[in-house]
Amino acid sequence: QVQLVESGGGMVQPGRSLRLSCAASAFPFTSFAMHWVRQAPGKGLEWVALISYDGSNRYYADSVRGRFTISRDNLKNTLYLQMNSLGAEDTAVYYCAREDADYLDSWGQGTLVTVSS
Amino acid sequence: DIQMTQSPSTLSASVGDRVTITCRASQSISSWLAWYQQKAGKAPNLLIYEASTLESGVPSRFSGSGSGTDFTLTIISLQPDDFATYYCQQYYSYPLTFGGGTKVEIK
Repeated sequence: QVQLVESGGGMVQPGRSLRLSCAASAFPFTSFAMHWVRQAPGKGLEWVALISYDGSNRYYADSVRGRFTISRDNLKNTLYLQMNSLGAEDTAVYYCAREDADYLDSWGQGTLVTVSS
Repeated sequence: DIQMTQSPSTLSASVGDRVTITCRASQSISSWLAWYQQKAGKAPNLLIYEASTLESGVPSRFSGSGSGTDFTLTIISLQPDDFATYYCQQYYSYPLTFGGGTKVEIK
């Protein structure tokens, strides 16, 4: 059974940085594109970023482009999201998700990021 | 960006009811639409992809239809486990975009 386990969330001050990780197991990680999706408290889902299976292509939402960087380590079966210049609007649960033919077929349990002074 | 509009935002229903949720795209997305179910405090769970294909393991009381700009998710006989929030999502183009969600509540 596909397993995606996020970590690295927590409380951080505005303007600071945080790196999220997503450990993948029970599937061939190197064969799948991966995404980050976030959900602000009480709000809907917002797509954040995509990285192709080999890391050669990356796409970002306008709201995070230039501040967030998605990356992956295929030897460690791990997905990352480096988040810089964080603001209150970035407060959310961050989910990693596996892509299957462009839709998201498996999701992690999420990690909460709270940006507050 | 493609805007996805769901209606209603909240729906009150009883066990055994037939429930229909609508999703409209701001431009044609062919059949590149997925539906997800999210229960409180949990991650979303894929129900349907390509507008009408049921994900493995999803009960057959769920069905999806539509193409172009108008789509529906139908639950033919609502079960207690189905009270949740449902989201549509287009994957025709980037950025991927989600509908605002439909919360199905107990009547």
